[in-house]
Order: sequence, then structure tokens, then C-alpha cells
Amino acid sequence: DSGVTQTPKHLITATGQRVTLRCSPRSGDLSVYWYQQSLDQGLQFLIQYYNGEERAKGNILERFSAQQFPDLHSELNLSSLELGDSALYFCASSVGGSRNQPQHFGDGTRLSIL
Amino acid sequence: AQSVTQLDSHVSVSEGTPVLLRCNYSSSYSPSLFWYVQHPNKGLQLLLKYTSAATLVKGINGFEAEFKKSETSFHLTKPSAHMSDAAEYFCVVRSGDYSGGGADGLTFGKGTHLIIQP
Repeated sequence: DSGVTQTPKHLITATGQRVTLRCSPRSGDLSVYWYQQSLDQGLQFLIQYYNGEERAKGNILERFSAQQFPDLHSELNLSSLELGDSALYFCASSVGGSRNQPQHFGDGTRLSIL
Repeated sequence: AQSVTQLDSHVSVSEGTPVLLRCNYSSSYSPSLFWYVQHPNKGLQLLLKYTSAATLVKGINGFEAEFKKSETSFHLTKPSAHMSDAAEYFCVVRSGDYSGGGADGLTFGKGTHLIIQP
């Protein structure tokens, strides 16, 4: 058990809809990262938050947004969903954000767009 | 810029024989390197990490990896494969000279699917 909790585990919705994925980091971790895993693109970094502030952006679409709340949990919002957004979305956390610190991953949310 | 190349998409070995999963990286700065494992329908679990200390790194479950700067490689090995090792393995690089909050996410290789034959 990594200590990172993601909800829901599975999400099925339709094109054009909006969904929110939730992540609770390990106790004491200040950084939260979001990743997308798909068959064609592999694992891609989306965005990082550190202690409530956006710290880095990766390959995140404009239709996607995220935030980290004062209690350090994070939400990833996906809107105007397309079939290609079907993927496994992972959240990871680390104590800080320095490059030496490993990230601990949740079990992911599997998003299926019908 | 940083990148990771996992040289084999699939590796098949017999139970009890050695495992070698190959990884090459490129990085503008002195990198940190990680190997993660992903079992079916599960999240990623950290196997080991290299962060500029000893070049031979020991991880969990008998895995180890050697950082070779001259070859820009970070291959993962295990002396004797077990059926439970069957999974997807990711080589990961993180570079950047940001010592504070850290500005970069991880860059993942495409993964190597390890198959263990009985």
C-alpha cells in the first residue's frame, strides 16, 4: 500500500461530459503529480502541485485542469471529454519536489469514454 | 531535455534464470533514475532509485541496477526470476537543477513487459 488514495477506481461516461478525479497524497507529502497512461502514449506527466500551488506542467490539455486544496488533496478535472481521453489516470505524491525523492503512486482511476 | 529508451518491449525468461531489462537515458543535468514495476490493474511501485551516490543500487525483491555514466545506461537485473516478477517495468529519469520544490515530473520509458516461463 503506497498510502496514496485515488477515487473513484473506475469511471464510465460519455463524450462531451465532465468528470473529476480525486487524489489524497501520503500523509506528510506536499507534492502531488498527475499522470495519464494510455496504450498509444504510454505514461505521460500532466501536472504537479506543491503545497497548493501549481509547480510544473507537462502534456496537459487545455480541457483539463487541476488544483490542490489546503488539506493537500488534489482534484483533476477533465471536461468536454473525447474518446481519446479514455486512459488510466495516476496520482503520485512525494514529500517535497526535489529530484532525489521518489514518487509514490496510487492505484489509478480508469476512465472509459463511451 | 531528458528522455528514456527501454530497449526491449518484451522480455521472456524461464523461472530461475537471470533477468536483464535494458534502459538508456539522456539528460541535460545529472539525473536521478528510477525503476518502477506495475502489476496488472495496479499502480506503480518503486523498485529502486539512483541519486548520485553508489553506482550499483539494490532494490526490493532482489532487483538491482547499475548506473553507467559513460554508457548512459541504467539496466535492471535480477539473478533468478520468480513467477511473481511477471509485470511491466518502467525506467524513469528525472533531471533538473531545481533544488527546492522541483519543477519536473518524471519521464517514463515505454515499458518492458517481463514474461516468466515456468
